[in-house]
Amino acid sequence: GAGVSQSPSNKVTEKGKDVELRCDPISGHTALYWYRQRLGQGLEFLIYFQGNSAPDKSGLPSDRFSAERTGESVSTLTIQRTQQEDSAVYLCASSLWGGDEKLFFGSGTQLSVL
Amino acid sequence: DQQVKQNSPSLSVQEGRISILNCDYTNSMFDYFLWYKKYPAEGPTFLISISSIKDKNEDGRFTVFLNKSAKHLSLHIVPSQPGDSAVYFCAASARNSGGSNYKLTFGKGTLLTVNP
Repeated sequence: GAGVSQSPSNKVTEKGKDVELRCDPISGHTALYWYRQRLGQGLEFLIYFQGNSAPDKSGLPSDRFSAERTGESVSTLTIQRTQQEDSAVYLCASSLWGGDEKLFFGSGTQLSVL
Repeated sequence: DQQVKQNSPSLSVQEGRISILNCDYTNSMFDYFLWYKKYPAEGPTFLISISSIKDKNEDGRFTVFLNKSAKHLSLHIVPSQPGDSAVYFCAASARNSGGSNYKLTFGKGTLLTVNP
């Protein structure tokens, strides 16, 4: 596709369940980012992938959060044992290279933990 | 600790007038600043950026001004159009030891409404 694709667009889950969010970046983009936006807040950096380099995981809020990326393509963000405070919009973005200011964002996954 | 602050949650202007959106930052290591625009149910889209070596950058109707001594930047939209109605996020980054600016710190956003 032409843009960054995220799925699902909406996810409702029960507290304690695991969820997996998917991101398909723009083809040819070597850098991939996950951000989240909680209600009324700005976007928070979660994790950054650049090519085959070790990812920068410094923004992950707890060890319940993990992410993987296959080469320079699909990425999945996994949240284990979800909590109500995990409710947020999770946004994936890609760019041609790390440090390129033009991040292309997907429409996000709205996660609601009941 | 909010390092990038957008103190106005909302702004309403008349079509054709100037819109001025403000942003303040606290981290003196920030050396690159960006504005993103977000429509409902869509991801943010890049609008304009400015490096700390400049004090102004212009792109069509959009101009960003940077005042490093005040740690303040602003986005001017002139003339404003109804299609500009969106949430505007200010973001900043600091070059890391590897020379990369990839980690952005965002403000909470300002909802701009341009009335016809």
